[in-house]
Amino acid sequence: NAGVTQTPKFQVLKTGQSMTLQCAQDMNHNSMYWYRQDPGMGLRLIYYSASEGTTDKGEVPNGYNVSRLNKREFSLRLESAAPSQTSVYFCASSGGQGAREQYFGPGTRLTVT
Amino acid sequence: RKEVEQDPGPFNVPEGATVAFNCTYSNSASQSFFWYRQDCRKEPKLLMSVYSSGNEDGRFTAQLNRASQYISLLIRDSKLSDSATYLCVVNGGTGGFKTIFGAGTRLFVKA
Repeated sequence: NAGVTQTPKFQVLKTGQSMTLQCAQDMNHNSMYWYRQDPGMGLRLIYYSASEGTTDKGEVPNGYNVSRLNKREFSLRLESAAPSQTSVYFCASSGGQGAREQYFGPGTRLTVT
Repeated sequence: RKEVEQDPGPFNVPEGATVAFNCTYSNSASQSFFWYRQDCRKEPKLLMSVYSSGNEDGRFTAQLNRASQYISLLIRDSKLSDSATYLCVVNGGTGGFKTIFGAGTRLFVKA
């Protein structure tokens, strides 16, 4: 049982390049989330998907887009990367409404030069 | 004021010590509370939920004080393997998807 998987694990981009971070969960969870984690700060919610077919903005959505491809998969796209997007990105899922515990993927370490 | 505040530490304690972390939150409508553990360069993992009546899981005890809006985590008989960052997580209010993570408290347990 893999839980939550993310690809890639590491990525270096130049300013202006685009990329998509992939996330999949095999726990049949309805809700999925994308967070970023920066030194000295808590995880900040970028976007979430309460259920298949819906997505909503979180605390820091600017510069990102998401797609809930199906119940298992939730991708995060950076259309034009900026150095301020250098961070560790975590995908998470939960079995119900947002008050439930969340299960995290291993993270993607992104550097934008 | 941050919505969830934690002492960043680090807390440096010897093996066998008892250590306590506190966390305060600003939204009185918050509905659920958790402690997560995060090892260096790893993902956060749920340590325990925090219930109004307080709860214990082995060496770990969590307490919630709604009136004062704080949560605590007590670790007894610290082990080397307890060295990690402990994240306070507050969830709820309107909509149920407002999950706020504290920045974490770092713990180092030394032999």
